[in-house]
Amino acid sequence: SQQGEEDPQALSIQEGENATMNCSYKTSINNLQWYRQNSGRGLVHLILIRSNEREKHSGRLRVTLDTSKKSSSLLITASRAADTASYFCASWHSGYSTLTFGKGTMLLVSP
Amino acid sequence: DAGVTQSPTHLIKTRGQQVTLRCSPKSGHDTVSWYQQALGQGPQFIFQYYEEEERQRGNFPDRFSGHQFPNYSSELNVNALWLGDSALYLCASSLYRPGGSYEQYFGPGTRLTVT
Repeated sequence: SQQGEEDPQALSIQEGENATMNCSYKTSINNLQWYRQNSGRGLVHLILIRSNEREKHSGRLRVTLDTSKKSSSLLITASRAADTASYFCASWHSGYSTLTFGKGTMLLVSP
Repeated sequence: DAGVTQSPTHLIKTRGQQVTLRCSPKSGHDTVSWYQQALGQGPQFIFQYYEEEERQRGNFPDRFSGHQFPNYSSELNVNALWLGDSALYLCASSLYRPGGSYEQYFGPGTRLTVT
């Protein structure tokens, strides 16, 4: 079964705006990762945040992690049409060496 | 340096048939994981192979089986196909580390349609 839930399920914004996606998970984790998927193709790894980290940046991406609330957020700043994709959070659990994905957020960025 | 490759890209099968999907890991990787992604859902872990053995398994029936070869490539076999097996099947490779291989590289997937 899937571990987490992303919120919102779908998000539609204009180019240049920021997009924020949230993710919740249920059990303790070693790290949490965010992936992007274009049109039902393979997954592209975006960023990994470890359980002892609270915030991480990579280019236009900012990820936060709140282990007390078992939640994470992904912020994409100054969005572009090319950011249109589905975004998934995936948790890595101690003792179970694989990823557990949420259901994803579909992001549509209009020119 | 080739990334993860999967074959075939698309496949159409009839209910009750059997199917084999193939995956070649990224160069230097020795661990292969398989995921099933139904339409509109996130990927679900099927199983993971390392040193030619199944190391972890998700909540999938025995109809799903796999194999890893000495060159680290892998196959996913599904017997007695159901309509519900229609999905995108993703292969991910990683380099084994004690405690887990965090960074997994995904292939483009095989789209299986069961009619």
